[in-house]
Amino acid sequence: DGGITQSPKYLFRKEGQNVTLSCEQNLNHDAMYWYRQDPGQGLRLIYYSQIVNDFQKGDIAEGYSVSREKKESFPLTVTSAQKNPTAFYLCASSILGRDYGYTFGSGTRLTVV
Amino acid sequence: DAKTTQPPSMDCAEGRAANLPCNHSTISGNEYVYWYRQIHSQGPQYIIHGLKNNETNEMASLIITEDRKSSTLILPHATLRDTAVYYCIVSAGGTSYGKLTFGQGTILTVHP
Repeated sequence: DGGITQSPKYLFRKEGQNVTLSCEQNLNHDAMYWYRQDPGQGLRLIYYSQIVNDFQKGDIAEGYSVSREKKESFPLTVTSAQKNPTAFYLCASSILGRDYGYTFGSGTRLTVV
Repeated sequence: DAKTTQPPSMDCAEGRAANLPCNHSTISGNEYVYWYRQIHSQGPQYIIHGLKNNETNEMASLIITEDRKSSTLILPHATLRDTAVYYCIVSAGGTSYGKLTFGQGTILTVHP
């Protein structure tokens, strides 16, 4: 079945370390997105990518970096510059330019220890 | 994107219809109404969307008022597995570039 796979489901990081969250999709979707969700709050857009080798900052890009070397993959690196990285991270994809809904992964819960 | 207003919580008996309202009085002509739901610790799940006509799929029905300022999501026969946070979002569809403004949503609790 087609879908989005995020890994790992839970991730623990020491302060000062970079960590990379994986997101892979086999839906042949053009666009991919990263969101952050904090307890009791809605989703905030970190980065999005419409095509391979191109990506744009969202509302809260500081302290994060991404790459889009393949259509299927959009990894997110949480750097040591991100001051409050503990959160639930969600990856999503969509068909660019169409009014279909977004498909979300199951999320990665990152905890800084 | 236009803002939406939803009640913070609702209850529904199992087997009955759940009607979740949403106000979006500032919606623009090119914006769609989308509904997603999120079960605890999972990613949001797309339910349905519409522009101005009522829509129905295997999960739910969406009723949009004629002036498009409000809508209602209907789960015709709610089950315990429908307990989740339901988000109503207005967005310019394929040109939204990730700008899905998820508010607080409605916590729907389906009880036996």
